[in-house]
Amino acid sequence: AQKITQTQPGMFVQEKEAVTLDCTYDTSDQSYGLFWYKQPSSGEMIFLIYQGSYDEQNATEGRYSLNFQKARKSANLVISASQLGDSAMYFCAMRERFTDKLIFGTGTRLQVFP
Amino acid sequence: DAGVTQSPTHLIKTRGQQVTLRCSPKSGHDTVSWYQQALGQGPQFIFQYYEEEERQRGNFPDRFSGHQFPNYSSELNVNALLLGDSALYLCASSLGRGDLSGNTIYFGEGSWLTVV
Repeated sequence: AQKITQTQPGMFVQEKEAVTLDCTYDTSDQSYGLFWYKQPSSGEMIFLIYQGSYDEQNATEGRYSLNFQKARKSANLVISASQLGDSAMYFCAMRERFTDKLIFGTGTRLQVFP
Repeated sequence: DAGVTQSPTHLIKTRGQQVTLRCSPKSGHDTVSWYQQALGQGPQFIFQYYEEEERQRGNFPDRFSGHQFPNYSSELNVNALLLGDSALYLCASSLGRGDLSGNTIYFGEGSWLTVV
């Protein structure tokens, strides 16, 4: 069965610093997709970045980049130059093959302080 | 281009009652998935609708049912509400192809359901 593991319940980072949020996954499929979402206290799940298993380069979206290490089955999110508005829950998720069903991790609460 | 919209945003129901939540997918998307997110947890997949049929279902009882309309919008119905049904209900829209060409999955703002 597919599984996502996020081992950091909470992380603190100072404004303007970079932070890495960890995500490991387990799947027997060769083809899969990995997502990161941000969830503020309002509840909306905001798409941040996507990485396909066959993508040769790590995905980047503005201040977000995904450190994809396929052999280690890890897909860590790197946020550069943290901002106070980055304080939120962050979820890593994997799409099941041939469907759009997402399997989520338990999330990491990021707090950015001045 | 409107994103995923959900209604209502907040509602309070009594145990035993029934509730209907609504979702309109992002323009161009034909697949709608529903998730339940209990406090402090990650979202759990309830079911997915494509071409007006339930295509896949998670581990939820039959009290949870849904529907998809020809315009791709969807409803989630929960009967005989229990206190444990209190959660954030999220709707996700996508192209439903499950391919790996960057088919992004977008979520709405969610519906907060409180059962008292």
